Parts: sequence; structure tokens; C-alpha cells
Amino acid sequence: ETGVTQSPTHLIKTRGQQVTLRCSSQSGHNTVSWYQQALGQGPQFIFQYYREEENGRGNFPPRFSGLQFPNYSSELNVNALELDDSALYLCASSAGLAGSREQFFGPGTRLTVL
Amino acid sequence: KQEVTQIPAALSVPEGENLVLNCSFTDSAIYNLQWFRQDPGKGLTSLLLIQSSQREQTSGRLNASLDKSSGRSTLYIAASQPGDSATYLCAVGSGANNLFFGTGTRLTVIP
Repeated sequence: ETGVTQSPTHLIKTRGQQVTLRCSSQSGHNTVSWYQQALGQGPQFIFQYYREEENGRGNFPPRFSGLQFPNYSSELNVNALELDDSALYLCASSAGLAGSREQFFGPGTRLTVL
Repeated sequence: KQEVTQIPAALSVPEGENLVLNCSFTDSAIYNLQWFRQDPGKGLTSLLLIQSSQREQTSGRLNASLDKSSGRSTLYIAASQPGDSATYLCAVGSGANNLFFGTGTRLTVIP
């Protein structure tokens, strides 16, 4: 059974640019959630995708958007990058909605915005 | 909104000691509570999941308890080892589509 994978591992961008992060869910899981973890903080929920539709969103602006594909993999897109977007971005998959099922996390993508 | 607090923020213990990490949450209407381990700069590894109807879960040297009515959970680590050094995060499943995290306890086990 393949676990949750994320790409790329590290990314460096400049302010104002756009970035796309990718996540492959664990086999058999139909839900992907994205989290932002700033240094020294706990992860903060960005949004969740369930059966290819956004199903719940945290306190993040519209420049954070996403997609889920028929194979349940997912992308996180961030437009107009700001310095405060520098963080570890974590993807988690589950067999059902995030709040009620066990979450399995990927290794994360470290984004640095200069 | 669910608020999750973890105490202490950091803990340093000698190898072999038993220890307890604490997690509290403000809204008792939860689906589950999950404990994770995070090594520096890495993703999260799930340690234990307690459903809201359960009181505790055990895995090896780890035991997690849940008292929903008081909004508390503890993670007990027996006979600590240097390899246990990491940040431990608790997360509460509250609402159908959200997981609320604490800020973690950074554990150092001294050989």
C-alpha cells in the first residue's frame, strides 16, 4: 500500500509569483485535506476536497485554491505569493471527511517566499 | 471555534523515564482525537486515534486517554528512549471537515 506522497519537497519563490503543490492520496482514500504549518506552530486547515469538490475551508483567502482529480490526487495553488506564505504545506488523505476519519499525512512541501 | 492547547510546550527528560503529555480542547462535540509525532522539518506520523466513544488506546509503549466531558487527553510514554525525541501534536476532529491542531510539545530524551 502506497502512502501519501507530495511534490516537490522544497520550493523557493519570490513575492508575487504563483505556485502549485501536488499530493497523491493513499490507496483507497477519497478525501484530501491541505494544511499550512508555520515554523513553531501547529498545522492550520486550508481546505478539503471530497470526491473532486471543495468541502470545507479554513480562514485562508481566495488566492489559495485547489483541485482534486478523478484518481483523488490533488493540487494546491497559491497566487500572488506573500512573504507570510513561507511554511511547510502538508497534505493528508482519509477515507471520508477529515473531521471524522483518521488522517494520514504526507512528508510536506517546504515553501520559501523571498 | 475549537481551540486546542498543549502543555508543556517543551519537555526534557532522562532516558528511561515515564512521561505524560497533555492536550485540552474547548468544544466537547468531537468525532475523534489523534496524536501525531513530527520530526524536525518532516511530515506527521500518526501514533494513536481515539474515537469519541472510546476512553483510551494503546500501541506499544504509548497509551492515550480521552475524557471528552472535561475536554482533555493525555499521551503516556513509558520507558522513554532517545529515539522518542520529537514534537508531539494532538489534533481534534470537530465538524465534518476539519481537524484542529495544538501547537505541540517538543520532547527531548537525554541519553
